Amino acid sequence: DGGITQSPKYLFRKEGQNVTLSCEQNLNHDAMYWYRQDPGQGLRLIYYSQIVNDFQKGDIAEGYSVSREKKESFPLTVTSAQKNPTAFYLCASSIGGTNYEQYFGPGTRLTVT
Amino acid sequence: EDKVVQSPLSLVVHEGDTVTLNCSYEVTNFRSLLWYKQEKKAPTFLFMLTSSGIEKKSGRLSSILDKKELFSILNITATQTGDSAVYLCAVPANSGYALNFGKGTSLLVTP
Repeated sequence: DGGITQSPKYLFRKEGQNVTLSCEQNLNHDAMYWYRQDPGQGLRLIYYSQIVNDFQKGDIAEGYSVSREKKESFPLTVTSAQKNPTAFYLCASSIGGTNYEQYFGPGTRLTVT
Repeated sequence: EDKVVQSPLSLVVHEGDTVTLNCSYEVTNFRSLLWYKQEKKAPTFLFMLTSSGIEKKSGRLSSILDKKELFSILNITATQTGDSAVYLCAVPANSGYALNFGKGTSLLVTP
C-alpha cells in the first residue's frame, strides 16, 4: 500500500529535550513538507523539501531542524529552542511541479511538559 | 503577504441540511485552490480548482471558484453525521510549492 507513515502517534517529552519525529513515504514523491497544527488553527508550514539534500524554511522554522538524506524520508527534530512545542505535527508529500495536491500522514501529537 | 480566510469558523447543523462553507484568498500569483476534509487526523483531499466558474462535484459535495471576486465555496447537500469534520481551504504559496491554509471551518452535523 502506498502512503505516508508518521511515528510515533503520540510522543511525550520533558522540556529541554530534543525530539525527532519520523516521516516516511513510498509514493515516490519528490516534495515533502512539515506542518504544525494548533487547536482552532489551520496548518502552518515549518519546513519543506523539493528534492533530496535540499530543504527550505517555512513560516515557523525557528526551533526546528530537518534533513532529507533519502527521497523517502524527511525527519523533523523539535529542539529545546522551540518555545511552545506542544502541538499536532503533520507530514505531507506531493509529486511536485504544478501538481499541488499534497498527501498527508496520520500525524504525531507531541506533548512537552 | 498571502492570506486565506475561511468562514464561518464553526457551524452546527441538523442531518439533512445543506451547508455552504466559504474561502476567500489574497495571493500574489494565483495557481489553484484546494479543499481538504480533516477528521481528527490526516487531512484528505477533496477538490482542486483552477478555473473560474467550473463546478467540481463528488457525490453530495461540490465546489466552485470565483477568480474575479477571489473566493471559493464548498457546498454539502443532505448532510450526514459522517460529514462532521474540519474543512480546510488552501492555496499554493508564492514559492509555488507549499500550501497556505486557512484556519478551517469546523462542521458538526447532529442527528
